[in-house]
Amino acid sequence: AQKITQTQPGMFVQEKEAVTLDCTYDTSDQSYGLFWYKQPSSGEMIFLIYQGSYDEQNATEGRYSLNFQKARKSANLVISASQLGDSAMYFCAMREGTSGGGADGLTFGKGTHLIIQP
Amino acid sequence: GAGVSQTPSNKVTEKGKYVELRCDPISGHTALYWYRQSLGQGPEFLIYFQGTGAADDSGLPNDRFFAVRPEGSVSTLKIQRTERGDSAVYLCASSLRGRDNSPLHFGNGTRLTVT
Repeated sequence: AQKITQTQPGMFVQEKEAVTLDCTYDTSDQSYGLFWYKQPSSGEMIFLIYQGSYDEQNATEGRYSLNFQKARKSANLVISASQLGDSAMYFCAMREGTSGGGADGLTFGKGTHLIIQP
Repeated sequence: GAGVSQTPSNKVTEKGKYVELRCDPISGHTALYWYRQSLGQGPEFLIYFQGTGAADDSGLPNDRFFAVRPEGSVSTLKIQRTERGDSAVYLCASSLRGRDNSPLHFGNGTRLTVT
């Protein structure tokens, strides 16, 4: 089973609208962390936001917020007031609490290609 | 400050040749990771170093792939007898400690093309 599932391969959104990028995850660990990265066409991976499994509040960083629903195992990224520069690939990733099987690193989803239209 | 630096940015090699890809992490970061990203996919974990030792190499696809970090800073990913299927972008990342909420900081990657 996939550890990280991003069901939207691509999205078109009008500039200034809010965007929600979906991410569901699969883990049996109680302690884990969820990350979102942005990858523009230049190829660099840019860290956006982090949510810990024990965090009671949803994480926010500027225009980015994470809608964390632990019981549903979802960690959707919300971008408010989208801008043309938000056009990029967006990856959801998880770090699990226990060792083994690459758990010391991040496991990434396949990504969502977001295109902001003027 | 300086970010993660990877060299070369592009590498074209013939099938069967040996290649080395270099990663210079952020100063002071003890954790270093190698990932491989194929077109249209998310990064795929290869290996993780904590200091000089490979703490987890479970993502290396086969014994043609090897990585070292002899002094706990710069790391080299080595691929022997390259195959066309090895063509991908190889990403290096570092983090302050690893195994906690410190984010991974990525380099710009090395695009490897095996002809």
